[in-house]
Order: sequence, then structure tokens, then C-alpha cells
Amino acid sequence: SQQGEEDPQALSIQEGENATMNCSYKTSINNLQWYRQNSGRGLVHLILIRSNEREKHSGRLRVTLDTSKKSSSLLITASRAADTASYFCATLVTSYGKLTFGQGTILTVHP
Amino acid sequence: DTGVSQNPRHKITKRGQNVTFRCDPISEHNRLYWYRQTLGQGPEFLTYFQNEAQLEKSRLLSDRFSAERPKGSFSTLEIQRTEQGDSAMYLCASSLVSGVGDIQYFGAGTRLSVL
Repeated sequence: SQQGEEDPQALSIQEGENATMNCSYKTSINNLQWYRQNSGRGLVHLILIRSNEREKHSGRLRVTLDTSKKSSSLLITASRAADTASYFCATLVTSYGKLTFGQGTILTVHP
Repeated sequence: DTGVSQNPRHKITKRGQNVTFRCDPISEHNRLYWYRQTLGQGPEFLTYFQNEAQLEKSRLLSDRFSAERPKGSFSTLEIQRTEQGDSAMYLCASSLVSGVGDIQYFGAGTRLSVL
């Protein structure tokens, strides 16, 4: 079963704008990861944040984690048309093992 | 490093037939995972291996599903007596257990359509 929910389910923005996606989960975790999936393709790992971290950056990506609220957010700054994809958060209860995914946010960036 | 390879990319079968998918992980990766993804949903875990040992199986993995990873290299996922509800994308991922945590690398998936 899905770990939690992501919102919004769909997000449509113009190129150059920022995109924020949120993820909530239900159980205590070891780490939370964000993945991107282009239509009909496999998933690509974007960033991992551990439960003892509050914020992490990677290029145009910024991830926050609030373990007290069991929630995370992914911010993509200065979005590009190539960022159009589905974005999933996934949690790991232990250091290694199965990922439990949210339902995803479909991001569309218009040129 | 050629990435995770899955074959076939697409499979169309009739209800009741058996199908088998193959996954070749990134070399040296000791963990291999299978997930299933239906339209509009996130992937759901099915099973995973560390080397040749199958360490965990989801309740989603009914008796009709079996997975193997002989010699700890490639893996196969077989579905017997397919049902229309088995139609989905089957994703394979691999990872290397190390100090940085479990980052899983996914293949492009096998899309199964059961008619």
C-alpha cells in the first residue's frame, strides 16, 4: 500500500517559475527520497534526505523534511520544460530495503 | 556501467498464459528489487534479493508470482495464469549496500498487458 499522499496531484506552471510539491507519510522513517519519472519510463533518483536532516540542496532542487509532521517538500527553482515529469517521494523505514512510494505529482512546465 | 536493463519492454498476453520478465542489474550491485506500477499510481514493492537470497516478499506477490535471482546476477519474475488485473508496469531496481544509504537505480520497466 502507499505510504502517504502527495499534493498537488498535478501542477502546471510556466518556464522560469518555481514548483513546490509536498509529500506526507505515515510511519517513522530512516530516510526519504525523491524520484522523477518521465512518461512511461523508469524512475530516476533525485535526492535523499535522512531523518536527522532538515534541508538539503542539489542544483535547482531543495528538499525539506519535517519528521514531527511526517512531511517533506520538493522545490524546483527556475523550472524548465525538461522538468515536465511525474515526481514521487519514497520512504525507507530502515537504512536499506523496500521503498514505499507516494502517489506522485504530475508536473507540467510550459515553455 | 550500462544501467539496469529489463526485457522485454512490452509484453501482450492472453489471460491464463504464463509470462516471464528478466532484469539485469548494474554489475556489482548486490540488491535487486521488483516493483509494480499501475496507471496513475506510485510503484508498489513486490520483492527483493540480496545476492541470491530473497529477503522479503510483499503480500501483493500471490502464489502465481515467483522471482528468482540465480547466482546473484540477473533476476526473473514469472507470473503464472495471468489475470487482467496483472496488467501493469513491472519495474526492476538495483542498489549497492554501502554507507551512503540505499539509492535504487531503476530500469525502464516491462509493460504487461493481459487481454
